[in-house]
Amino acid sequence: DADVTQTPRNRITKTGKRIMLECSQTKGHDRMYWYRQDPGLGLRLIYYSFDVKDINKGEISDGYSVSRQAQAKFSLSLESAIPNQTALYFCATSDPGTGRETQYFGPGTRLLVL
Amino acid sequence: LAKTTQPISMDSYEGQEVNITCSHNNIATNDYITWYQQFPSQGPRFIIQGYKTKVTNEVASLFIPADRKSSTLSLPRVSLSDTAVYYCLVGGTIDNFNKFYFGSGTKLNVKP
Repeated sequence: DADVTQTPRNRITKTGKRIMLECSQTKGHDRMYWYRQDPGLGLRLIYYSFDVKDINKGEISDGYSVSRQAQAKFSLSLESAIPNQTALYFCATSDPGTGRETQYFGPGTRLLVL
Repeated sequence: LAKTTQPISMDSYEGQEVNITCSHNNIATNDYITWYQQFPSQGPRFIIQGYKTKVTNEVASLFIPADRKSSTLSLPRVSLSDTAVYYCLVGGTIDNFNKFYFGSGTKLNVKP
């Protein structure tokens, strides 16, 4: 969805390096999420934020941190990257105003940790 | 946690109707059922969502029996471009977001 953008789209880094993945959205949604996807597997939730002051851990938050700089921006950091963090990372947004959770995903960031 | 069970993969041919069934025996009273489609190297895309009976949109139909312990996504007359992974999720209301769970999905392969 073009309303949710992620940068960079591809990144190669080395073990121990700190990297940041960024997500921006123009949908005006309060809720934002970070997922990772490993080959052949479904998506696993890393962190989620229901508004700028609300940050919550997902099922696999160890080794990651996030920052919600504004309603439109949600960044994911790997403080010290390790090879098993090699994966495809997706950002998503949703609007709870409808009462139902429908998520809109960005194009993904492919991360390779050497 | 209302996890779901779907077939790992399915094959079909162009022009056929495809039905993908999802089991969710532990679905809660206020849970919705949502299906997403994912193409390789892209983010999942919302297809359809329902609570009970039948829902239809321009892309698919969703059939939900009275006990809501399963649901069936129906794709009419598939084409090669429908080759993708399809995820069934339950939950996802304001009150129970943390039960929103993506499983491994069903990989649909449409053949010419």
